Amino acid sequence: NAGVTQTPKFQVLKTGQSMTLQCAQDMNHEYMSWYRQDPGMGLRLIHYSVGAGITDQGEVPNGYNVSRSTTEDFPLRLLSAAPSQTSVYFCASRLSRDTLEQYFGPGTRLTVT
Amino acid sequence: RKEVEQDPGPFNVPEGATVAFNCTYSNSASQSFFWYRQDCRKEPKLLMSVYSSGNEDGRFTAQLNRASQYISLLIRDSKLSDSATYLCVVTLFSGGYNKLIFGAGTRLAVHP
Repeated sequence: NAGVTQTPKFQVLKTGQSMTLQCAQDMNHEYMSWYRQDPGMGLRLIHYSVGAGITDQGEVPNGYNVSRSTTEDFPLRLLSAAPSQTSVYFCASRLSRDTLEQYFGPGTRLTVT
Repeated sequence: RKEVEQDPGPFNVPEGATVAFNCTYSNSASQSFFWYRQDCRKEPKLLMSVYSSGNEDGRFTAQLNRASQYISLLIRDSKLSDSATYLCVVTLFSGGYNKLIFGAGTRLAVHP
């Protein structure tokens, strides 16, 4: 199993550009989520999904969209990048919303200039 | 007040030392507790769960004090490879699912 994969590893965007961060898992996990990690702060939940076709907002959803058309994939879209979205983004998955052990992807380092 | 608070460190210790980290949480309804390890520029990985009775995994011991709302991680005989950031995680059942709340982490640097 590859586990949770993310692309790209690094990205630089200009203010106002849009892009999609890709996330995929091959563990047949129902629950997937996106976090951002900033210095001095814990991982903050952006959006999550409890299964294909179902998504919901987390703690910091503004400026981001998600969709979950398959169990495997959970892309995160930045609609109009802002410098405040400079961060490290982690995708994570777990078997279901009731389970607790969570697996993270390797992260995407995004810089918005 | 942050939901999960940790001393950011860094804790600089020599090899072989014993080091302990604490973490406090604000919501008494928190149900489950974990320590994750995050190496520099890598993703967090589960280190161990924390049980009410305390639990040990090799050189690592985790303890929970529900009355005072803190958890601890003790590392004995520190190795250079233990250098990392240790994230405290608590869970809360909210909105129909288990929400994981992460602390900002405590950085450990073990030196020769």
